[in-house]
Formats: sequence, structure tokens, C-alpha cells
Amino acid sequence: DAKTTQPNSMESNEEEPVHLPCNHSTISGTDYIHWYRQLPSQGPEYVIHGLTSNVNNRMASLAIAEDRKSSTLILHRATLRDAAVYYCILRTPTGANSKLTFGKGITLSVRP
Amino acid sequence: GAGVSQSPRYKVAKRGQDVALRCDPISGHVSLFWYQQALGQGPEFLTYFQNEAQLDKSGLPSDRFFAERPEGSVSTLKIQRTQQEDSAVYLCASSLPTSGGAGELFFGEGSRLTVL
Repeated sequence: DAKTTQPNSMESNEEEPVHLPCNHSTISGTDYIHWYRQLPSQGPEYVIHGLTSNVNNRMASLAIAEDRKSSTLILHRATLRDAAVYYCILRTPTGANSKLTFGKGITLSVRP
Repeated sequence: GAGVSQSPRYKVAKRGQDVALRCDPISGHVSLFWYQQALGQGPEFLTYFQNEAQLDKSGLPSDRFFAERPEGSVSTLKIQRTQQEDSAVYLCASSLPTSGGAGELFFGEGSRLTVL
């Protein structure tokens, strides 16, 4: 699986937007970009995914660079509940299903 | 609730004991994954089932680890002769089969194993 690179940590202020970067320079043409987050003492939770175009859902937005070598997860208005580890993952299609390969993720802290 | 359910949530075992961890996936989800998460690390893939077939067990760290899903629903991860390095949170996830790498995995809250 192609690898992703994320900063170790980031701090933000409550009610401000947060941009979480991810580099994936070795991405292949068929890899999907997935983001999951993990709150303390919980299992990972799906946030968003995309292939080429930018994506929006109720939780976040995903901005994908034109060359697909990087992407940014955008939380439009951070809340204290958004403090978590965020994982950027490339998912390679291999038939009916494929596993997620997690890295260390980026730890987001939100200041009140 | 309708989510992935794991039991027990916490398990303390003495070194050398066998343990069994249970996962109840979301009804109708044919794909089931097991992950191991050490403290401060991201989850590491262990094994994958599609219905009752174990299609990928490349992540199982040793032959002491064994997983089964005999009827294509509930799955059990068994660890024989536990060692201290087996201490971790064991996560189960399920999903609908989605071709092409899209699709969402739903994770349980995990079973925290501590081996003394």
C-alpha cells in the first residue's frame, strides 16, 4: 500500500476552521483517499473519502490536489469534541474489499 | 444499538492463559476485519473475513493467534498462551462489500487486553 505522511500534532481554537494536511506522493491512480478519526478510548470513525474531486459531507470537507499527491481535511468549525487522532489512509482496491492500513495519524488538540 | 459490538471490553490475563475476544458485526455486513492497536500507535491489520471465509490472515503475528467466523456473522479472535507483548486493544470492524476501495468500515469500541 502507498504511504501517507502527516504531521504528528496540531492545535486549533474552538469555533475556528482546521486544515489537516496529508502527503501521499506515491499514490496510484486507483487509490482512494480515506480519513478516519479516533476519539479517546473509542474505535476509529469514518470521516470522509475521495478519489479525485473535492468532497463535502456533514462532518468535513476533503480537498484533493490536482496531482493527487496531497490532500487536506477541513473541519469548518472546530469543537472540543473534534479533539482526536485523525488518520489519512490510502485504500487500494483489491477485488470485493480491501483493508485499511493506518499510520500514526495526527493528534488534533482544540483549545476552548 | 445497531453498531459493531465487542466483548469483553476489558480482559486481564495471566501470561500463558488463553483468551477469546468476540465481535458482533452490523447485521448484513459480510466483510469483517480484526485490528490490533498498541498504546500510542495506529491500528495494525490482523485478518479479514468475507462471510465465513478468511481471505487474508497476513497480519496475524504468530500461530498463537487464531480467528474464526463459522457462520459468517459473529467472529472470535483467540490468543493462545498469551504473552505480555499481546497487551493491546483489539478492534473489530465490519462493512458491506464495496468494490474499488470505496466504502466505510464501522469499528467497535475494542477489547482492551492486559497480560500480566
